[in-house]
Amino acid sequence: GAVVSQHPSRVICKSGTSVKIECRSLDFQATTMFWYRQFPKKSLMLMATSNEGSKATYEQGVEKDKFLINHASLTLSTLTVTSAHPEDSSFYICSARSGDPINSPLHFGNGTRLTVT
Amino acid sequence: KQEVTQIPAALSVPEGENLVLNCSFTDSAIYNLQWFRQDPGKGLTSLLLIQSSQREQTSGRLNASLDKSSGRSTLYIAASQPGDSATYLCAVRNSGYALNFGKGTSLLVTP
Repeated sequence: GAVVSQHPSRVICKSGTSVKIECRSLDFQATTMFWYRQFPKKSLMLMATSNEGSKATYEQGVEKDKFLINHASLTLSTLTVTSAHPEDSSFYICSARSGDPINSPLHFGNGTRLTVT
Repeated sequence: KQEVTQIPAALSVPEGENLVLNCSFTDSAIYNLQWFRQDPGKGLTSLLLIQSSQREQTSGRLNASLDKSSGRSTLYIAASQPGDSATYLCAVRNSGYALNFGKGTSLLVTP
């Protein structure tokens, strides 16, 4: 089946530093990937839609200058949390669709637990 | 704006029981509905995908139904096992590519 790999699984960084999270589709090409954020006991919230070769589409309330998204190839999207603050600590999950953009299921990576101290 | 609600928020059952998890959504104009499993600290594993034209999907001990007109879906787990313990998430897709998620049902199956 379709596999989405996310790296790193855990990262701890100091306030003010930047952290890059990678999301790869291992056995399929993904023109579109999605970045979600999950707070404890809350729904997954869509942050942005990453489009290969073009700018990402951000959801309302998500700062595009803080959460930089690059989708440079059909198998790789990166999310960079810039100038991280403790309130950015969260669980970030990427996802991609392996086939028909309308009818195929969404596959998720294993997530990245970010802790900003 | 689509809102997805899952009931109950948490459920504890003894091993071997059959159980039903519920999902409701406010906007019935959906493309499809997907059930996921999430283990603690992990990503999501897709369990079942039901297209808007379908009534149910089955995979092993899992059966998901969809009643689009009433905005409801159920996930039925037969003969539950301790390994089924996880959080189960329901997500619906309207127009566009992304999914709208419920908060999940945390399931504990005790030996």
